[in-house]
Amino acid sequence: GAVVSQHPSWVICKSGTSVKIECRSLDFQATTMFWYRQFPKQSLMLMATSNEGSKATYEQGVEKDKFLINHASLTLSTLTVTSAHPEDSSFYICSAGIREFGTDTQYFGPGTRLTVL
Amino acid sequence: SQQGEEDPQALSIQEGENATMNCSYKTSINNLQWYRQNSGRGLVHLILIRSNEREKHSGRLRVTLDTSKKSSSLLITASRAADTASYFCATVKTGANNLFFGTGTRLTVIP
Repeated sequence: GAVVSQHPSWVICKSGTSVKIECRSLDFQATTMFWYRQFPKQSLMLMATSNEGSKATYEQGVEKDKFLINHASLTLSTLTVTSAHPEDSSFYICSAGIREFGTDTQYFGPGTRLTVL
Repeated sequence: SQQGEEDPQALSIQEGENATMNCSYKTSINNLQWYRQNSGRGLVHLILIRSNEREKHSGRLRVTLDTSKKSSSLLITASRAADTASYFCATVKTGANNLFFGTGTRLTVIP
């Protein structure tokens, strides 16, 4: 149980285009989903937290107009990188949060590698 | 930044040896978690230790937490080549549910 999928697993796009990444909780409902970015050989940096049906909360330094997050249902959140540029090339990882045994637990997706040419 | 720091950044050991990784953080926490990441893959949750716990075991893993020093350690005993991966600590602040990750330790276990 508690499986999170991401689609696509990798994407290559031209500079200036927009890319949408999906994050799905397959066998549970997640009221909160998180989006992280990871540059090569670096740690995960939290980009934003999204709750179903409400606007996402972005971390300091993350442009909300550039990284559009939609959390339309309890099992799906999407991250759209608008007008992507080479510096947006990164590994994007989502997680879905549930409350288990009194503790908030996050289950992570396998990640999406974005390369912007 | 709330990001924690881990040391060492990289660790290379022989199969069968023990590996110890340390994590320091800055704020008061609700819990601290350790994750493993194989190269280019997602994260696998290893173990969670709450702020009122001092030590926890899971198989070959042993985690300690010292809230007075704001530090934690992960010990992997009898390491195997398959343990080769990056290991991250992540903290959950008191009153929050966000995870803030440490800088990670890249472990290489040589067969």
